[in-house]
Amino acid sequence: EVQLVESGGGLVKPGGSLRLSCAASGFTFSSYSMNWVRQAPGKGLEWVSSISSSSSYIYYADSVKGRFTISRDNAKNSLYLQMNSLRAEDTAVYYCARDSDYEIAAVFDYWGQGTLVTVSS
Amino acid sequence: SSELTQDPAVSVALGQTVRITCQGDSLRSYYASWYQQKPGQAPVLVIYGKNNRPSGIPDRFSGSSSGNTASLTITGAQAEDEADYYCNSRDSSGNRVVFGGGTKLTVL
Repeated sequence: EVQLVESGGGLVKPGGSLRLSCAASGFTFSSYSMNWVRQAPGKGLEWVSSISSSSSYIYYADSVKGRFTISRDNAKNSLYLQMNSLRAEDTAVYYCARDSDYEIAAVFDYWGQGTLVTVSS
Repeated sequence: SSELTQDPAVSVALGQTVRITCQGDSLRSYYASWYQQKPGQAPVLVIYGKNNRPSGIPDRFSGSSSGNTASLTITGAQAEDEADYYCNSRDSSGNRVVFGGGTKLTVL
């Protein structure tokens, strides 16, 4: 059974940093691209970042570029998101999601339950 | 602002058919995927590619696409289908991902 479990969320002050983790199990983690997607309270889904299976290709949304860093450790079956210079507008539930790598579509076939990040003084 | 446009809210009578649409230039090049999200839960993939359903998704869910518009159709909507529905696709560059703003489906 595929499982994605996020951790690392919490309350942080504006300008602070936080590192999110996503532990994967039930599939060959090193074969799949992975993503972070966030959802602000009462709002829609926003793609944050993606990383290819071997970390060769990394992309960010404009809203986080230069502040967030995605990474992965295939030996540990883990995905990470280092978040620096946090702002109030970064407050959201952060989901990790597996990319099924189906053709040229963005198909996120498995999602974690999310971890809440609150940026507030 | 989102590069994929969805109607904010749609309603359907129990047992009837409803179509939820998603518009964007990137859909001329890339398939849309559709996700169902119920309150307090993570999104669930319901349709991807030309018209594919993951295992466990009822066959009342179907997808289609024409030009810059992708559609999710629920034929014979059930009470449990009441949820928020989001589309996504690659953006025009093919490198990033965009989500639609979401459609809140109410089953009357």
